[in-house]
Amino acid sequence: DQQVKQNSPSLSVQEGRISILNCDYTNSMFDYFLWYKKYPAEGPTFLISISSIKDKNEDGRFTVFLNKSAKHLSLHIVPSQPGDSAVYFCAASTYDKIIFGKGTRLHILP
Amino acid sequence: KAGVTQTPRYLIKTRGQQVTLSCSPISGHRSVSWYQQTPGQGLQFLFEYFSETQRNKGNFPGRFSGRQFSNSRSEMNVSTLELGDSALYLCASSSDRGAYGYTFGSGTRLTVV
Repeated sequence: DQQVKQNSPSLSVQEGRISILNCDYTNSMFDYFLWYKKYPAEGPTFLISISSIKDKNEDGRFTVFLNKSAKHLSLHIVPSQPGDSAVYFCAASTYDKIIFGKGTRLHILP
Repeated sequence: KAGVTQTPRYLIKTRGQQVTLSCSPISGHRSVSWYQQTPGQGLQFLFEYFSETQRNKGNFPGRFSGRQFSNSRSEMNVSTLELGDSALYLCASSSDRGAYGYTFGSGTRLTVV
């Protein structure tokens, strides 16, 4: 039972345009959501997070949106840059558990 | 502040052998979790240790085991290695019972030949 789903295994976006990565979850007990970025042969690094009491959190070029009624969150990157090419993992957590999606590979095209 | 340290970075083992991987969490972090990453499978949860006790366990066979020491350092052991165990093994630490502040190490790349 996949509680956190990233339905797009990969995504290609032109440099300078907006990248939108999507994530769906099934468990309404999750109260905190995170995005991690991963380069090959490295561990994932924390990117941005959002509490379930908010619907938007912004940090520079990165914005995460949360739609609790739809159990959906998205990560917007604007403008997209070559260094954004990586695998992005969505995660949902409660106090003592964190569940990761399978990741979306983002390719930024020159 | 030092990050999560995993050793070794790379390892090549033969089928049937066993291997031990090490993880030193961020100072003050008491929770250590282990993940296996393979292409197409994302991050698969192995187990979590908190204050030397295994608190959660994923769906991996008994060949995968771990432990945590009093200084919060953790080791993961895989016995009777199989080709399918080739993967990037990641360790993550967090400060308390909360899963909100996960920090990952760089991982150990295990290749089984």
